[in-house]
Amino acid sequence: AAGVIQSPRHLIKEKRETATLKCYPIPRHDTVYWYQQGPGQDPQFLISFYEKMQSDKGSIPDRFSAQQFSDYHSELNMSSLELGDSALYFCASSIRGPSTNEQFFGPGTRLTVL
Amino acid sequence: AQTVTQSQPEMSVQEAETVTLSCTYDTSESDYYLFWYKQPPSRQMILVIRQEAYKQQNATENRFSVNFQKAAKSFSLKISDSQLGDAAMYFCAYRSGNRDDKIIFGKGTRLHILP
Repeated sequence: AAGVIQSPRHLIKEKRETATLKCYPIPRHDTVYWYQQGPGQDPQFLISFYEKMQSDKGSIPDRFSAQQFSDYHSELNMSSLELGDSALYFCASSIRGPSTNEQFFGPGTRLTVL
Repeated sequence: AQTVTQSQPEMSVQEAETVTLSCTYDTSESDYYLFWYKQPPSRQMILVIRQEAYKQQNATENRFSVNFQKAAKSFSLKISDSQLGDAAMYFCAYRSGNRDDKIIFGKGTRLHILP
């Protein structure tokens, strides 16, 4: 079965650079979520989109922005990178419906800021 | 705001034995879902088991079962016949019944399996 695809899987950037993380949801899934997991931490919700509109926002820095495109893939743009942005970034997708709306997680993008 | 608390940062269990991971949560909502996720060294987030709050029956998935105590806001995970492949970080998680809502994770419990 198709899963959530994230690219790149690993990314190394210097401080103050910009990074773009991409997420391709499971086909027919209309909702995308982004989570950030720092070293030794639990995942923290950043932002979510439903049908290309932002549906919820968590503790996402102003330096970060995201959007969902017409093909439902999503991109997380991170500018002025800081050392503290080094983390594993998960994308999850779900399909809105009458049941649990389980979120399926991608493998994550490991971002290292030097 | 909803919170999820895992009071056991680390646990160890002998292979083939049974272990229980504890989780408590706080919410004022009546409609919600609870989950246990496994994160092995690969760091993939794997859903282990899910419980709907409106269901009184405890969820079971093969060797994994939960003890859901709604009044006490407790949601523990029992792993029977522990296997080496069960070694991982386990996160207890909460999601509101709002269909698009985010998942709130606990701090995690690292489970070691002793051969």
